[in-house]
Amino acid sequence: DAKTTQPPSMDCAEGRAANLPCNHSTISGNEYVYWYRQIHSQGPQYIIHGLKNNETNEMASLIITEDRKSSTLILPHATLRDTAVYYCIVRVASTDKLIFGTGTRLQVFP
Amino acid sequence: DAGVIQSPRHEVTEMGQEVTLRCKPISGHDYLFWYRQTMMRGLELLIYFNNNVPIDDSGMPEDRFSAKMPNASFSTLKIQPSEPRDSAVYFCASSFQMTGGTGELFFGEGSRLTVL
Repeated sequence: DAKTTQPPSMDCAEGRAANLPCNHSTISGNEYVYWYRQIHSQGPQYIIHGLKNNETNEMASLIITEDRKSSTLILPHATLRDTAVYYCIVRVASTDKLIFGTGTRLQVFP
Repeated sequence: DAGVIQSPRHEVTEMGQEVTLRCKPISGHDYLFWYRQTMMRGLELLIYFNNNVPIDDSGMPEDRFSAKMPNASFSTLKIQPSEPRDSAVYFCASSFQMTGGTGELFFGEGSRLTVL
């Protein structure tokens, strides 16, 4: 699976949009982009995934660049409860495994 | 569904003792994963099962670690003998149709192991 690069930490004001970047410049055509988050001491939680089109669900939006070498997870109105470590992962759909990297620690402040 | 259930939530033991961690996956899920999380190494995949069969145990650190899945609703991760460096949070996760499916994992709340 392709390697991802994320900033180690970011801050965001409550109520503002949080935009979390991920670089996956070696992604191949059959690899999906996944985002998970882990709130302190809990198990990771699935947020969203996509292949090439932008995706939106009740939690977030995923914007994937046209060349698919990078993506951005958008939390449109961050709350204090969104403070967590966010993991960007790429995975080939035909494989079974999900390998986590180091993620971005998002701190939402009042 | 109650989600993935792990026990015990916390375990404190002494070096050399046997530790058994337990996991009940979500009913109907055909994949089960064991992860370990430490500050130094992050989230590491130890082993996973598909339809109760171990598929990849390349992440298991050494022979002291073993995992079983005797049926679709139960799995154990055993450490014998335990060492202080095994101190970590151990997560179990389950999923339905990883291959070709959404690939969404559902994690339990973890078992925090401290080996003195």
